[in-house]
Amino acid sequence: AQKVTQAQTEISVVEKEDVTLDCVYETRDTTYYLFWYKQPPSGELVFLIRRNSFDEQNEISGRYSWNFQKSTSSFNFTITASQVVDSAVYFCALSEDRGSTLGRLYFGRGTQLTVWP
Amino acid sequence: SAVISQKPSRDICQRGTSLTIQCQVDSQVTMMFWYRQQPGQSLTLIATANQGSEATYESGFVIDKFPISRPNLTFSTLTVSNMSPEDSSIYLCSALGVSSYNEQFFGPGTRLTVL
Repeated sequence: AQKVTQAQTEISVVEKEDVTLDCVYETRDTTYYLFWYKQPPSGELVFLIRRNSFDEQNEISGRYSWNFQKSTSSFNFTITASQVVDSAVYFCALSEDRGSTLGRLYFGRGTQLTVWP
Repeated sequence: SAVISQKPSRDICQRGTSLTIQCQVDSQVTMMFWYRQQPGQSLTLIATANQGSEATYESGFVIDKFPISRPNLTFSTLTVSNMSPEDSSIYLCSALGVSSYNEQFFGPGTRLTVL
């Protein structure tokens, strides 16, 4: 069963617009970790954020912000005042805290974000 | 944070040949993983590389096709055997840090094209 759902396959915005990337996850564990990664055309995965299940405080880092809501099993990512350099594929991922799958990341299908000048 | 390097960064191979990808971490890590990313797709875990023992493979991946070694805590190799065009993908190595096990680092990936 798919554990991470990114319903938006592609999003296009014009520079300076705000954009939100959705992520919905599924897990039976009470302890788990959520991640966002950025993959530019070069292919390298760039770590953006990690959130554990006990910390629902939203986080802001520059133009990036994350909204974690356990009640809806969502971990959405907002880019404010988007820039062309934000164009990339963004992956949401889940890691469960159990021995047999420790460290294993379950990735969503990714959202291709294109920011036009 | 750990820094992970992979070699080669990219390769173009002929059908039926094999390629070994190396992954080196600059510090000791607890766990190492190999992922595959087919064109336009998400990342799929191939296997967990276990130090000193056989790798643990995910459903759909077998040792004969993807033999993995991990002779020490900082190095692992993945071989893609008897390649076909369907093996054309990005192969990524990842590792869990010792200090914070849930912080996972990724290598830059190896972009493989099979003709």
